[in-house]
Amino acid sequence: DVKVTQSSRYLVKRTGEKVFLECVQDMDHENMFWYRQDPGLGLRLIYFSYDVKMKEKGDIPEGYSVSREKKERFSLILESASTNQTSMYLCASSYRGTLQGRQPQHFGDGTRLSIL
Amino acid sequence: SQQGEEDPQALSIQEGENATMNCSYKTSINNLQWYRQNSGRGLVHLILIRSNEREKHSGRLRVTLDTSKKSSSLLITASRAADTASYFCATSGTYKYIFGTGTRLKVLA
Repeated sequence: DVKVTQSSRYLVKRTGEKVFLECVQDMDHENMFWYRQDPGLGLRLIYFSYDVKMKEKGDIPEGYSVSREKKERFSLILESASTNQTSMYLCASSYRGTLQGRQPQHFGDGTRLSIL
Repeated sequence: SQQGEEDPQALSIQEGENATMNCSYKTSINNLQWYRQNSGRGLVHLILIRSNEREKHSGRLRVTLDTSKKSSSLLITASRAADTASYFCATSGTYKYIFGTGTRLKVLA
């Protein structure tokens, strides 16, 4: 079974702090994704990566950056945390496959981040 | 931008009844996928239907796709209390997947 592991289930940080959220997958997936999930807004894509050292902005990249130095690890960085970044953060991975966009995504259990 | 929109937003049924959820989307798709999310957990992939397919089954799940109406439905037959969760549709173009806001299903024992 595919396993996507997020480093923390719950995290509390203060405004202005630099926050790192880590995600590791064990299935050699090319694609990795970071989403945030807020009530009434569903999942919104922050960044994704389709290869090591490659990254693409999603729909809401402002205030975030990412790092993918190794294929299995994708990190989300909040450069200077603000209260409006309090949310559930979900990491996912998928095979690239032979046809883009046809592979299911596998999710971690999420990190519930509170910024005080 | 949200492409998939589920309907209804919330659904409450008795155990043993069928549950139907609908998803509408706006642009052309390669495939449409359905996911389940239990409270406080990540999403779990349930089923994928390709744009050239009209219906697909997996156990108690039945998914239909109508590309002319840009809509899909997920039917869960003979529901169980363990089916209580949020259900999301997701459409995909190239790398990106776009998720709807979900249907919250509650199955009463």
